[in-house]
Amino acid sequence: DAKTTQPTSMDCAEGRAANLPCNHSTISGNEYVYWYRQIHSQGPQYIIHGLKNNETNEMASLIITEDRKSSTLILPHATLRDTAVYYCIVRVGYRNYQLIWGAGTKLIIKP
Amino acid sequence: GAGVSQSPSNKVTEKGKDVELRCDPISGHTALYWYRQSLGQGLEFLIYFQGNSAPDKSGLPSDRFSAERTGGSVSTLTIQRTQQEDSAVYLCASSLTRTSAADTQYFGPGTRLTVL
Repeated sequence: DAKTTQPTSMDCAEGRAANLPCNHSTISGNEYVYWYRQIHSQGPQYIIHGLKNNETNEMASLIITEDRKSSTLILPHATLRDTAVYYCIVRVGYRNYQLIWGAGTKLIIKP
Repeated sequence: GAGVSQSPSNKVTEKGKDVELRCDPISGHTALYWYRQSLGQGLEFLIYFQGNSAPDKSGLPSDRFSAERTGGSVSTLTIQRTQQEDSAVYLCASSLTRTSAADTQYFGPGTRLTVL
C-alpha cells in the first residue's frame, strides 16, 4: 500500500498562499492522490484529487510532480478558517474504496 | 439530503451496554463507508457497503461490532457490550459508486462515543 509522508505542522500568514507538501514515493500508476481537511471536531472535508495532471477547483490547486512521487496542495489566499489538519491520501489500488489516513499536517493560519 | 448526516452527534454510555449509531448517506449514493477516529489519530476503516451488501468487513475490530444497511440508504453501526477502548468518533461517508478510485467519499459530522 502506498503511504504518504507529510510535515507534522506548518504556519502561514493570512492572505498568503499556503503550500502543503506530501511525499508518496511508492505510489502505483493507477492510484489517485486525494486531499481532505478536518477542522476541529468536524468530519473530514473533501478538497481535491488528481492522478497525473495538475488540478484546480474553487478551494485549492493540486500540483503533482511528473514522477508522481510527491504533490503539493496550494490554498491560494489562506484565511483563518483554513486552520485545520490536512490529510494527503493515496487510494489503495486493489481496495480502491479504502482511504488510508496518516497523521496529516496541522496548518495554522496566523493573522 | 444535502450531505451525509449522522445521529446522535454525541453518545455517552456505560461499559457493557449496546449502542447503535446511524448514518444517512447523500441521496443516490450507492456506496457507504464507516470509519472511526481515536483521539489525535487518523481515520481507521471499518466496513463498506455497496447497496445493502457489505463485501468487506475486514476493518471491524471484533465480533462485537456489526453493521447493516437497509433500502440501499440508511446504515446502522452496532457495538455490543461496549468497552472503554471503543471510545472514539465514528464517521460515515458515502460515494456515488465504488467502482473507481476517482470516486469521492463525502463525510458526515461523526458521532462521538464515550464509554465510561
